Amino acid sequence: EAQVTQNPRYLITVTGKKLTVTCSQNMNHEYMSWYRQDPGLGLRQIYYSMNVEVTDKGDVPEGYKVSRKEKRNFPLILESPSPNQTSLYFCASSNGDYNEQFFGPGTRLTVL
Amino acid sequence: QQPVQSPQAVILREGEDAVINCSSSKALYSVHWYRQKHGEAPVFLMILLKGGEQKGHEKISASFNEKKQQSSLYLTASQLSYSGTYFCGTEQWNTGNQFYFGTGTSLTVIP
Repeated sequence: EAQVTQNPRYLITVTGKKLTVTCSQNMNHEYMSWYRQDPGLGLRQIYYSMNVEVTDKGDVPEGYKVSRKEKRNFPLILESPSPNQTSLYFCASSNGDYNEQFFGPGTRLTVL
Repeated sequence: QQPVQSPQAVILREGEDAVINCSSSKALYSVHWYRQKHGEAPVFLMILLKGGEQKGHEKISASFNEKKQQSSLYLTASQLSYSGTYFCGTEQWNTGNQFYFGTGTSLTVIP
């Protein structure tokens, strides 16, 4: 089954404790992206990647890191999480420009 | 650069029509529409690539006015299953491959 998976689905952590949210897709998509969703603000792009070893900042990259060492994986790293990073995070992938994005199920992160 | 959607929320009775608008201050080369049901991930509805292009998906269609940097989503004869939050997403000229979603329109269809 074609899908985007994210882990964990739910995470409660404390300020400053490094964490990684994994994202994996099995559709051989080149484009992958991370979004955060907050009430009233819609989805905002954090980082995206056009291909292996190619990553670029989205609209709200501060406080986040990503890497793309393999085509299928695109982990999101919060090196020192803060409460303002409490949000719902979505990973998405697509077959490049002008193509639909497939979303993972989301990761709800709470930073205390 | 985030597109603005209107209205923010709308309540319809089954069978009624609705229009959701998406407006950008930047030149666009594509507009996507997604629907997100409560507690779920957004799901793709359609993409519009050319100015003036209209596309249809069941009883849901959309148009793209490139000059006005606007897109509209039309929902006709709404069904209960249409309830959810609708997002437009845009790719803009001169911003690389960044993707900008609108703030969303909550649509509720009641019997």
